[in-house]
Order: sequence, then structure tokens, then C-alpha cells
Amino acid sequence: DAGVTQSPTHLIKTRGQHVTLRCSPISGHKSVSWYQQVLGQGPQFIFQYYEKEERGRGNFPDRFSARQFPNYSSELNVNALLLGDSALYLCASSLERTSTDTQYFGPGTRLTVL
Amino acid sequence: AQKITQTQPGMFVQEKEAVTLDCTYDTSDQSYGLFWYKQPSSGEMIFLIYQGSYDEQNATEGRYSLNFQKARKSANLVISASQLGDSAMYFCAMREGANTGGFKTIFGAGTRLFVKA
Repeated sequence: DAGVTQSPTHLIKTRGQHVTLRCSPISGHKSVSWYQQVLGQGPQFIFQYYEKEERGRGNFPDRFSARQFPNYSSELNVNALLLGDSALYLCASSLERTSTDTQYFGPGTRLTVL
Repeated sequence: AQKITQTQPGMFVQEKEAVTLDCTYDTSDQSYGLFWYKQPSSGEMIFLIYQGSYDEQNATEGRYSLNFQKARKSANLVISASQLGDSAMYFCAMREGANTGGFKTIFGAGTRLFVKA
């Protein structure tokens, strides 16, 4: 079975632009979460979606938004990009949304903002 | 506030020896999950092992075991018989939110493990 997939793998944008990152979960998984990992740090939670609804949000500005589609894939959108948005963006999927569910991560999208 | 602490920025271990990576956590939830992930230089987060807050037995997965001490709020990862391929960044993570329904996973700062031949 295919694991979590993310696209694109790398992306270069300039300040002020908008970006859309995509994620496809493992087949059968209904929950998708997004994380931002700045170089040298642990991942920071951005959003969790379950059954197409937002179920959790981290401490990120409103420039960050996401959605989940009927097939459980997800998009993360970031508006008005700042230099500080440069990071590895990780998507993770799990079967449900309980505290005991194991999340499986995709390979990530590396975003560089110039 | 929810928190994960990994106090060892870097660790060295000789090939074939065991190593313990420390992790302490803080939460007010009764139901939570503790996870360890490995992140090689390629960037992908690889799931290693899981421990539930209500599990009485320490979790084991092959060469990985989790030393869970609930009263001390610690969840240390033990890697037995280290291999060169174990050189990577290791993250401890906690998933909680049963009280609020807004589940999220919090990661520690990580420990970089170097395995010497």
C-alpha cells in the first residue's frame, strides 16, 4: 500500500506570494494533520482535519489555511509569504483522530521563500 | 501548557551497544499517546514506537523499547544493538486532546544520534 504522498517536493517562492501544498493520506485514513518544521527544530502542529472538518489548530496566523476533500486528501494554503515561512511542511495521516492513533508522515514539501 | 522536553541535543554510541534517549512530558490530560519518530537526513519522519497512557507494559518494537514511567512523566527510548543506519534525528512526541476534542501532537526539539563504527 502507498504511504502518505505530498506534492510538490520542493518549492521556491518570493515574499508576498501564495502557495498551495497537497497531501494524500494512506488509503483508509480519515484524518490529516499538517506540521511546519523549521531547520534545526521539531515539527510544529498547524492543523488537523477529520472527515473534512477542522478539528485542531496550532498557533499559526490566519495566513495559514487548509481544507480536506471528500477523498480525504488535503491542501495547505499559505498567503502573503514571509521569509520565516521557509521550512519543511509535513503532512501526516491517521485512521481516526484519537490521542492514541499513530500518525504516519509523508516525505514533506520543502518551501523556500526568497 | 503541554510540553515535551528532550535534554540531549546530541548523543554518541558505539556500534552494537545500547543507547537511551531521554524524553519527559507534561500534560493535564488523562488519555494521551507517546510516540518516537526517527528523521534521517532525507527529512521523512519514520514512526518507531508508541505507548498509550493507560498501557501498563512498556512498548517494544524489535530493537526499540520505550521505558515508560508515568509518575515521573518520562518516556525514554532505548535502542539495543545500535547500527550505523540508526544515525539520525530522533523526536519524542505526545498526542493529546481527549478533553477538548481538538487533538494535536507536540514534538520535542529532538536528539541527534551518531553511531560510531
